[in-house]
Amino acid sequence: EVQLVESGGGLVQPGGSRRLSCAASGFSFSNYWMSWVRQAPGKGLEWVASVKQDGSEKYYVDSVKGRFTISRDNAKNSLYLQMNSLRAEDTAVYYCARYDSRGSYAFDFWGQGTLVTVSS
Amino acid sequence: SYELTQPPSVSVSPGQTASIACSGDTLGNKFAYWYQQKPGQSPVLVIYQDNKRPSGIPDRFSGSNSGNTATLTISGTQAMDEADYYCQAWDSSTYVFGTGTKVTVL
Repeated sequence: EVQLVESGGGLVQPGGSRRLSCAASGFSFSNYWMSWVRQAPGKGLEWVASVKQDGSEKYYVDSVKGRFTISRDNAKNSLYLQMNSLRAEDTAVYYCARYDSRGSYAFDFWGQGTLVTVSS
Repeated sequence: SYELTQPPSVSVSPGQTASIACSGDTLGNKFAYWYQQKPGQSPVLVIYQDNKRPSGIPDRFSGSNSGNTATLTISGTQAMDEADYYCQAWDSSTYVFGTGTKVTVL
């Protein structure tokens, strides 16, 4: 069974940093692109970042470029999102999502999400 | 940047058909995807590559995509289909989600 379990959310002050983690199991992690998608309270979904299977390519939404870094450790079956210079508008539930680049070309599995609140 | 627009809400009676439109510039030239999200839950893929259903998704869910509009259709809508629905497309190395539509089954 595919499982994605996020952790690392919490309350952080504006300008602060936070590192999110996503533990993957039930599939061959190193064979898939992985992504972070966020959802502000009461709002819609917003793609944040994606990383290729071997970490050699990374893409970001414009609003987080230069502040967020996506990375992965295939030996640990883990995905990460390092978030720096956090702003109030970064407050959201952050989902880890598997991207199926060999079949559906969709986000086919999602974690349960972890809430990041940026507030003083 | 690329944008996808959906109606904020759609209401449907049980057993009837609900249609949700997703509009974007030349969207028909891209693949459209649809996700269902129930309150307090993570999104679930219900349609991929315009009109394909993942394993386990009921056949009352169908999709189409042409011109500037992709459409998700729910035939014989059930109470369990009440949820938010988001379309999604890929453009210039970024993934874009639609604004979302709340489907209410009256």
